[in-house]
Amino acid sequence: EVQLVESGGGLVQPGRSLKLACAASGFTFNNYYMAWVRQAPTKGLEWVASITNSGGSTYYRDSVKGRFTISRDNAKSTLYLQMDSLRSEDTATYYCTREGRAGNYFDYWGQGVMVTVSS
Amino acid sequence: DTVLTQSPALAVSPGERVSISCRASEGVNSYMYWYQQKPGQQPKLLIYETSNLASGVPARFSGSGSGTDFTLTIDPVEADDTATYFCQQSWNTFGSGTKLEIK
Repeated sequence: EVQLVESGGGLVQPGRSLKLACAASGFTFNNYYMAWVRQAPTKGLEWVASITNSGGSTYYRDSVKGRFTISRDNAKSTLYLQMDSLRSEDTATYYCTREGRAGNYFDYWGQGVMVTVSS
Repeated sequence: DTVLTQSPALAVSPGERVSISCRASEGVNSYMYWYQQKPGQQPKLLIYETSNLASGVPARFSGSGSGTDFTLTIDPVEADDTATYFCQQSWNTFGSGTKLEIK
């Protein structure tokens, strides 16, 4: 059974940093692209960042470029999201997702972790 | 950038057939994907590549469409289908969601 378990969320002040982690199990982690998708309270879904299966390439939405860094440790089957210079508009539930084989979609989602940016 | 437009909400009775639409602002020469998000839960993939049922999804769900118009159909609807349904065309292109209420 595929499982994605996020951790590391919480309340943080604007301008500070936070690092999310996602422990994956139930599949061969290094065979899949992975991604973070977020959802602001009562809002829709918003892709944040993706990383190739080897970790050699990363992709970001414009609003987080230069502030967020996606990475992975294939030996530990863990995905990360380092979030720096956080803004109030980054407040959301962050979901760790596995990308489908054909790309462009997300076939498994973690339960999500809440990040609140507020003074 | 392509914008995906969905109706905000629908209400149907159990046993009925419901079609949830997703209209793209420009013709998309690619697939559509659909997710179900129940209150307080993470999204779940329902349909991939426009019409393929994801693993474990009941056959009551189906997807269709091409170009600018795509549809998720539930037939028959059950009480447990109360949820918000999102369409997605690419990494950074999601619809705003359709909230389905079962009367």
